[in-house]
Amino acid sequence: NAGVTQTPKFQVLKTGQSMTLQCAQDMNHNSMYWYRQDPGMGLRLIYYSASEGTTDKGEVPNGYNVSRLNKREFSLRLESAAPSQTSVYFCASSPGRLNTEAFFGQGTRLTVV
Amino acid sequence: KQEVTQIPAALSVPEGENLVLNCSFTDSAIYNLQWFRQDPGKGLTSLLLIQSSQREQTSGRLNASLDKSSGRSTLYIAASQPGDSATYLCAVADNNDMRFGAGTRLTVKP
Repeated sequence: NAGVTQTPKFQVLKTGQSMTLQCAQDMNHNSMYWYRQDPGMGLRLIYYSASEGTTDKGEVPNGYNVSRLNKREFSLRLESAAPSQTSVYFCASSPGRLNTEAFFGQGTRLTVV
Repeated sequence: KQEVTQIPAALSVPEGENLVLNCSFTDSAIYNLQWFRQDPGKGLTSLLLIQSSQREQTSGRLNASLDKSSGRSTLYIAASQPGDSATYLCAVADNNDMRFGAGTRLTVKP
């Protein structure tokens, strides 16, 4: 029962470097999400994909891009990393957009130096 | 814009005590409210989902209630155990987004 799988678990980047965070779910869910979690601020939505082939901005999209590769996979790309992007990133999926239960991956801890 | 608040930010109780965690939200037009557990360095585990038409949900020693009109939800944990120590997050789904509170960090002392 893999659920939502994120890679990598940890990453250190230098300012200006790029990287892609990978996420895959095996629950045949339509909707997928990327959140960031910062101390004392709860989780904030970066981007989401309501269904395969669609993506939309969330609350904090600046500095990020996403790709819904297929129904299973949803990647998050940092084109030019900045120290302000140091955070823990979570991928999630749900059967429907907002009215169903959400399931989360284990997170990626990213540090930008 | 929906705002979700969880009070207290941290709570420490002795083992065996019953406890209540609080979640409040500003806009009552919601689809559902979900309670999660997060262990240090781990992801979020869904505990209970309450649809907007429901008043409460129960799972084992956990009971979550929802009062949409007052913008409040509570998570009741009966007979707490050291293994319940974690951060508990509530999230409210409305027409725009799923908004999270900052969480309550619970410590249950043996």
